[in-house]
Amino acid sequence: AQSVTQLGSHVSVSEGALVLLRCNYSSSVPPYLFWYVQYPNQGLQLLLKYTSAATLVKGINDFEAEFKKSETSFHLTKPSAHMSDAAEYFCAVSYSETRRGGATNKLIFGTGTLLAVQP
Amino acid sequence: DTGVSQNPRHKITKRGQNVTFRCDPISEHNRLYWYRQTLGQGPEFLTYFQNEAQLEKSRLLSDRFSAERPKGSFSTLEIQRTEQGDSAMYLCASSLAAGTYGYTFGSGTRLTVV
Repeated sequence: AQSVTQLGSHVSVSEGALVLLRCNYSSSVPPYLFWYVQYPNQGLQLLLKYTSAATLVKGINDFEAEFKKSETSFHLTKPSAHMSDAAEYFCAVSYSETRRGGATNKLIFGTGTLLAVQP
Repeated sequence: DTGVSQNPRHKITKRGQNVTFRCDPISEHNRLYWYRQTLGQGPEFLTYFQNEAQLEKSRLLSDRFSAERPKGSFSTLEIQRTEQGDSAMYLCASSLAAGTYGYTFGSGTRLTVV
């Protein structure tokens, strides 16, 4: 069964510093992996996704993530944190299962990492 | 393309009352998902529609919960006899046939049961 582990429920960085949010996955098949960002009382916005093309994936707002099969990791990074990056970040794996009527591709989420950016 | 729309944004209800939420997906997306998110947790899968067919329901979805997607367009999620434990953010997402395109989420409906 697929699952996602996010290490560190809270991460604090200074403005301008490197952001590193960790995500490890477990999957019995080649996974599709996603990072979403959630601002308070908002839905989830897709930052980037890995779908078995390039292992280094670039997303919006200068975020990127690298898929490392040997480490079963998909860590999210940003070279320089901005105050507006303060939010909760979720890593997710797409869980595909063939069922009557078609396949389901539901997302399995990690528990999230709350990023604080200090001035 | 106006994205995924959810209504209402907030709902406060008394325990025991019924509530209904609505989700309007992106028009060309044939897949629609409902998730529930409690404080400090990631979203948890509730149910999934492909067009008008409900293909999967989570064990989290008790008999008090029902979801519909008539004509494969908008969807409704109804909770009967609400309990305080139902307080959560209910998120709707839609996607194209292949999940690799990603899932577009709505802003959610926050339910508070008092």
